[in-house]
Amino acid sequence: DAGVIQSPRHEVTEMGQEVTLRCKPISGHNSLFWYRQTMMRGLELLIYFNNNVPIDDSGMPEDRFSAKMPNASFSTLKIQPSEPRDSAVYFCASSFRGGSDEQYFGPGTRLTVT
Amino acid sequence: AQSVTQLGSHVSVSEGALVLLRCNYSSSVPPYLFWYVQYPNQGLQLLLKYTSAATLVKGINGFEAEFKKSETSFHLTKPSAHMSDAAEYFCAVSQGFQKLVFGTGTRLLVSP
Repeated sequence: DAGVIQSPRHEVTEMGQEVTLRCKPISGHNSLFWYRQTMMRGLELLIYFNNNVPIDDSGMPEDRFSAKMPNASFSTLKIQPSEPRDSAVYFCASSFRGGSDEQYFGPGTRLTVT
Repeated sequence: AQSVTQLGSHVSVSEGALVLLRCNYSSSVPPYLFWYVQYPNQGLQLLLKYTSAATLVKGINGFEAEFKKSETSFHLTKPSAHMSDAAEYFCAVSQGFQKLVFGTGTRLLVSP
């Protein structure tokens, strides 16, 4: 298996632009997680899905952030409009069944908003 | 709500020395506990996991952790540090099928 795949690996955009991050979880995994990592705030859970359904989105910073999982093999995290404070590394992770199982992390997307 | 506290944002050891990274947890029910490692410019990967089967858990790369309920601790150790162990280490706690809650991380520095 190729592991969790994220694209793009790096994204540089200007403030106000829309940004879409993509994730392909490991086949057969039922849970998908989006995290954000910054020096100031560490690793934060933004949202997680179970069987394609959002279970907990309490970590989503504000309405500018949205996430979808239209099927078991694809998820997106969208920021519209983007702001410089959104600059971070965004990780996607998947697990077979929720938080009690090992989460497999993707390589991350490094987002820079200028 | 469950939480973990990692003592020390940075730990420095010499190559060959004992590695000890501290983690204390808070949980109202028996927890699942994890240690993850993050190498530079990579995602996190699992080192080991406690699920109540045994209090001493062995992981990859020679790491192990001991669950101590009386101390609410789950410290990570390795008898002899290697240069390749330099990375950031995260302790995490989960309850049942809920999300993982990560600690703030400890950066391990290994000097020759």
